[in-house]
Amino acid sequence: DGGITQSPKYLFRKEGQNVTLSCEQNLNHDAMYWYRQDPGQGLRLIYYSQIVNDFQKGDIAEGYSVSREKKESFPLTVTSAQKNPTAFYLCASSIGQGAADTQYFGPGTRLTVL
Amino acid sequence: AQSVTQLGSHVSVSEGALVLLRCNYSSSVPPYLFWYVQYPNQGLQLLLKYTSAATLVKGINGFEAEFKKSETSFHLTKPSAHMSDAAEYFCAVMNTGNQFYFGTGTSLTVIP
Repeated sequence: DGGITQSPKYLFRKEGQNVTLSCEQNLNHDAMYWYRQDPGQGLRLIYYSQIVNDFQKGDIAEGYSVSREKKESFPLTVTSAQKNPTAFYLCASSIGQGAADTQYFGPGTRLTVL
Repeated sequence: AQSVTQLGSHVSVSEGALVLLRCNYSSSVPPYLFWYVQYPNQGLQLLLKYTSAATLVKGINGFEAEFKKSETSFHLTKPSAHMSDAAEYFCAVMNTGNQFYFGTGTSLTVIP
């Protein structure tokens, strides 16, 4: 089955620790995205990558970092610089070939910082 | 800049009643428009998308949406609500740079 996997589903960390969220896709998609979801605010774009070894900041990149060493993988690190990291994090991917490019989403990771 | 407005953060309907979820967009050119559904603690699932073909778009689970350029709207409808339709619904617009802009979501409650 093709799809996007995110792990873990729930993650708890102490304040001040860095944490890395995993996102893997086997859809052979070029583009991948990370969003943050907070109640009443919809989805906000953190980072996106259109191709391997290249990525761009989204609207709320501060306190986050990413890498794209493989087409299938786009891990997100939430650093201690992120002031309010508790949220639901969604990874998405798309073919990346242009117009009307649907984004497909993973199941999400809920991060709670204690 | 693109933006999406979803009117009504919470909508309640009776089972069997019409579902109408509103979405308005701002765009200087006809955009690509999407509706997604999200069940609790899950990712987003695509319901339907408008890509400048037919203005009435049919999606999964009996949902459809009509693109009205004159009203800059893309409202989501379903003739008869089912209990399983209870979820969060997001409207999104995509610009020519393939960036998505999401609305703030509408939570649908179905009353038995």
